Amino acid sequence: EDQVTQSPEALRLQEGESSSLNCSYTVSGLRGLFWYRQDPGKGPEFLFTLYSAGEEKEKERLKATLTKKESFLHITAPKPEDSATYLCAAPLISGNTPLVFGKGTRLSVIA
Amino acid sequence: GAVVSQHPSRVICKSGTSVKIECRSLDFQATTMFWYRQFPKKSLMLMATSNEGSKATYEQGVEKDKFLINHASLTLSTLTVTSAHPEDSSFYICSARDHGNSPLHFGNGTRLTVT
Repeated sequence: EDQVTQSPEALRLQEGESSSLNCSYTVSGLRGLFWYRQDPGKGPEFLFTLYSAGEEKEKERLKATLTKKESFLHITAPKPEDSATYLCAAPLISGNTPLVFGKGTRLSVIA
Repeated sequence: GAVVSQHPSRVICKSGTSVKIECRSLDFQATTMFWYRQFPKKSLMLMATSNEGSKATYEQGVEKDKFLINHASLTLSTLTVTSAHPEDSSFYICSARDHGNSPLHFGNGTRLTVT
């Protein structure tokens, strides 16, 4: 069964303490791995799409990487405003199909 | 970038009444929109795929007669929760993409509370 699994479920960091979030997937014929940020009471906000193993993308303090079986979201020197739930997702098949989401990692960055 | 607008952001209704939620693509046309549901501290669960000009496709376990979806134009899909009950209370989020390979863009969600 195709699925997306994220770990840890929750992560608490001190401001400036770098860490990584994990997303492993078993979707066959992957057509992109997506990372989103979701703030409480809001819809998910798109961060990155990764398509092939070895690909990396960066945005401010975030860097996403992809291997054949998993993706990592690295957070360097986080700030309290980085606190959010980070979701990864993958489409089941190509074309205009919905995304299957992992359960997310709730990140709290403490000043 | 592609913007998806959802309205209302928050609604409280009494048990037995119906509630309509609108999802609009503001700067692009969307032949397909997706409706998700999210419970507190849980991930997004796909409810249905809304297709412009045709019937929606519902995921297993989602009652099509309770969650009526209408996609009457290329920029508007509506989700109507009929005869709402407290267990329907949840966060409903719609999404769409502006072209085949773009990421899904999400509305800001609707918090439904049924009393």
